Amino acid sequence: DGGITQSPKYLFRKEGQNVTLSCEQNLNHDAMYWYRQDPGQGLRLIYYSQIVNDFQKGDIAEGYSVSREKKESFPLTVTSAQKNPTAFYLCASRPNLGLDTEAFFGQGTRLTVV
Amino acid sequence: KNQVEQSPQSLIILEGKNCTLQCNYTVSPFSNLRWYKQDTGRGPVSLTIMTFSENTKSNGRYTATLDADTKQSSLHITASQLSDSASYICVVSSGRSYIPTFGRGTSLIVHP
Repeated sequence: DGGITQSPKYLFRKEGQNVTLSCEQNLNHDAMYWYRQDPGQGLRLIYYSQIVNDFQKGDIAEGYSVSREKKESFPLTVTSAQKNPTAFYLCASRPNLGLDTEAFFGQGTRLTVV
Repeated sequence: KNQVEQSPQSLIILEGKNCTLQCNYTVSPFSNLRWYKQDTGRGPVSLTIMTFSENTKSNGRYTATLDADTKQSSLHITASQLSDSASYICVVSSGRSYIPTFGRGTSLIVHP
């Protein structure tokens, strides 16, 4: 089935450790996005990529890093520099053709720092 | 600055009742508006999309309206079901950017 897959669904991390969240899509979409969602708040953009080997910072990129070595994959690393990393992380993808194309979301990864 | 405001923040209704969620936006130039449904702990799923020329669109028991003049949209849910309990997010896309603007969502709880 075509879709966008995030893993793992739940992730626990000790303070001071880096952790990488996986996002894979087989929709042949050019654009991929990472969002963070906190209770009572809307989705906030961390990073996005319109094409392989290129990505741009979103509104809250500090403490995060990404790579886009393959079209299908857009992993997000939460570094120890991120002050409050506990949150629900959503990955999305969309075709790059046209500004009105629908974004498809993964099922999310809930990261908890312990 | 592009903004999307949703109201109410949360809503509790009884099963079988109707409800209406509101979305006001200041995104310019306007390209389209989508309503997403997000179940707890899951990713959002698109319900409807509306472009400038459309003022009503239905998807089953969900009906979205758009008034491009006043920059308002509503999502009406008819004969609510327990499975409608979710967060409903209004997302507006600009004609100048690939980055849509998300509202904070309305949390709907349907009680039996």
